[in-house]
Amino acid sequence: GQSLEQPSEVTAVEGAIVQINCTYQTSGFYGLSWYQQHDGGAPTFLSYNGLDGLEETGRFSSFLSRSDSYGYLLLQELQMKDSASYFCAVPSGNTGKLIFGQGTTLQVKP
Amino acid sequence: DVKVTQSSRYLVKRTGEKVFLECVQDMDHENMFWYRQDPGLGLRLIYFSYDVKMKEKGDIPEGYSVSREKKERFSLILESASTNQTSMYLCASSTLGQWNSLNTEAFFGQGTRLTVV
Repeated sequence: GQSLEQPSEVTAVEGAIVQINCTYQTSGFYGLSWYQQHDGGAPTFLSYNGLDGLEETGRFSSFLSRSDSYGYLLLQELQMKDSASYFCAVPSGNTGKLIFGQGTTLQVKP
Repeated sequence: DVKVTQSSRYLVKRTGEKVFLECVQDMDHENMFWYRQDPGLGLRLIYFSYDVKMKEKGDIPEGYSVSREKKERFSLILESASTNQTSMYLCASSTLGQWNSLNTEAFFGQGTRLTVV
């Protein structure tokens, strides 16, 4: 089977840096993705790590360590609009079935 | 602009009714997914389809069935709706080829909030 663990809630202040961790257990591993979902909205893709290391996209970075079955999403220079839920996700098997974690609610305070 | 369209944004049905949730994508994607989202439980996969007429059970298939007769359309069926199926239902699609590349982006519809009374 497969499972992903993330913290349920994180709070930070505007301008700060926050890290959202994700540990996973899967049979076969094809990469770790991150999605953002604002209240009332659809999840949208943020990033993907297929190899170990850091991937940077603007204020957001994502890291993967396959040996530790661990990854994180790093959000820098936090803005109020970053308040949302963040999900890590892994493909399960070679057909592309996508499994999500339970999500981390990020609250950014002024 | 890529698009996944779910037929209804809000739906209210009675217990025991047969319910159809429809999802259409215009990106020629091989993969389509149905998830339900409940507070504190994240996105749980109900069913997944990787090709026309092909399907795989997700983590919570009980009480649901699916149909994929055409590549662009994936339907979720609640054979006999029950109150514990009150939830937000999200459809998504992705290409098969992306899973071996650097981009594994899935595109989501806006969701159908189903209430069973």
